[in-house]
Amino acid sequence: DTGVSQDPRHKITKRGQNVTFRCDPISEHNRLYWYRQTLGQGPEFLTYFQNEAQLEKSRLLSDRFSAERPKGSFSTLEIQRTEQGDSAMYLCASSPEAGWGSDEKLFFGSGTQLSVL
Amino acid sequence: KQEVTQIPAALSVPEGENLVLNCSFTDSAIYNLQWFRQDPGKGLTSLLLIQSSQREQTSGRLNASLDKSSGRSTLYIAASQPGDSATYLCAVRPGYGGSQGNLIFGKGTKLSVKP
Repeated sequence: DTGVSQDPRHKITKRGQNVTFRCDPISEHNRLYWYRQTLGQGPEFLTYFQNEAQLEKSRLLSDRFSAERPKGSFSTLEIQRTEQGDSAMYLCASSPEAGWGSDEKLFFGSGTQLSVL
Repeated sequence: KQEVTQIPAALSVPEGENLVLNCSFTDSAIYNLQWFRQDPGKGLTSLLLIQSSQREQTSGRLNASLDKSSGRSTLYIAASQPGDSATYLCAVRPGYGGSQGNLIFGKGTKLSVKP
């Protein structure tokens, strides 16, 4: 395992359809994050898991979005009833649990590019 | 509300030149600041992380400085190479709480190094 893996790399869907993305973090990392990035912008935080617990959700994560990490390993992000405004790159990142005062670097996957037609 | 700004938005330099990328943030209450690199269509790679108590960090040809009181950070790249061409993003972790991964990013500086 050399890094964070995301699947699929690209997804094209029609408005109103449901889509699901998968993220496999670095195996020993217990923290997992989802971000969204649109063209020309920096990534925006969506949600965060520590093991299987979802500890934080951004206001950007509307009711149509749901994320899970059932066994504290891989995670899925589902978008229901997709809208054109959902078109973006969805990035997953993971990190090990750092001790107090230690660095916490995030390791990002290559992302899933979603296009909603 | 914390906002992160990066100037310039794009930069083109000839190979071998030393260059500086700038990042500013509106709220000095940060836990740390990170610089990332992003290649087209790819994810982000962490380059340097500076804790709020630190002034600078160095890695190879890269040096990042932090002036928390003025809300500024710079990324210095020495002897630039065409392989340095990418978008460089600055991100702060707010010091008021929230998860350690809830970073606030700037829009990035797109760097092009010409051979």
